[in-house]
Amino acid sequence: NAGVTQTPKFRILKIGQSMTLQCTQDMNHNYMYWYRQDPGMGLKLIYYSVGAGITDKGEVPNGYNVSRSTTEDFPLRLELAAPSQTSVYFCASTGSNSPLHFGNGTRLTVT
Amino acid sequence: AQSVAQPEDQVNVAEGNPLTVKCTYSVSGNPYLFWYVQYPNRGLQFLLKYITGDNLVKGSYGFEAEFNKSQTSFHLKKPSALVSDSALYFCALNYGGATNKLIFGTGTLLAVQP
Repeated sequence: NAGVTQTPKFRILKIGQSMTLQCTQDMNHNYMYWYRQDPGMGLKLIYYSVGAGITDKGEVPNGYNVSRSTTEDFPLRLELAAPSQTSVYFCASTGSNSPLHFGNGTRLTVT
Repeated sequence: AQSVAQPEDQVNVAEGNPLTVKCTYSVSGNPYLFWYVQYPNRGLQFLLKYITGDNLVKGSYGFEAEFNKSQTSFHLKKPSALVSDSALYFCALNYGGATNKLIFGTGTLLAVQP
């Protein structure tokens, strides 16, 4: 099993550019999440989804959008990149009563 | 409000010695607590969880954690540290009930010296 796959691994954006971080899972999990990880800050929840067609905001949603058209995919969209969005982004998924499975992350730099 | 605290940014221990990584929490209601480990340039990996039952929870790679309700703590332990245990450790609390949303501590870097 591939588990949770994130692409790209690295990306450099200029201020104001947009991009989509891709996340796909092959475990048929209903629940999916996007977190960002900043040094010394732990992980903060950006958005989450409890199933296809259903998304909701987490702790730090500003500047981001998501969609969940299928069970497998949960892309994260940055519309107008800002330096404050420089971070490492992790996608995760879980089924009922099971721990979160994480992808290997996307390291994003906005300059 | 729910919160998780990891009071130590870094823990240093010699190989073969016991290790403890501390975590305290604040939550209304029953706590569902987790430990995850992160190796460089990788995502987080699940180590163990406490939902209910025995206060001593056993997990992967020889790790265990002790839940203490009166002290609102969930410390991670291992009787004999390995150099390969060196990594970043996160304590987490389920605050979203059935949605499985987690709030994470700030992480503790464990450095095991040979």
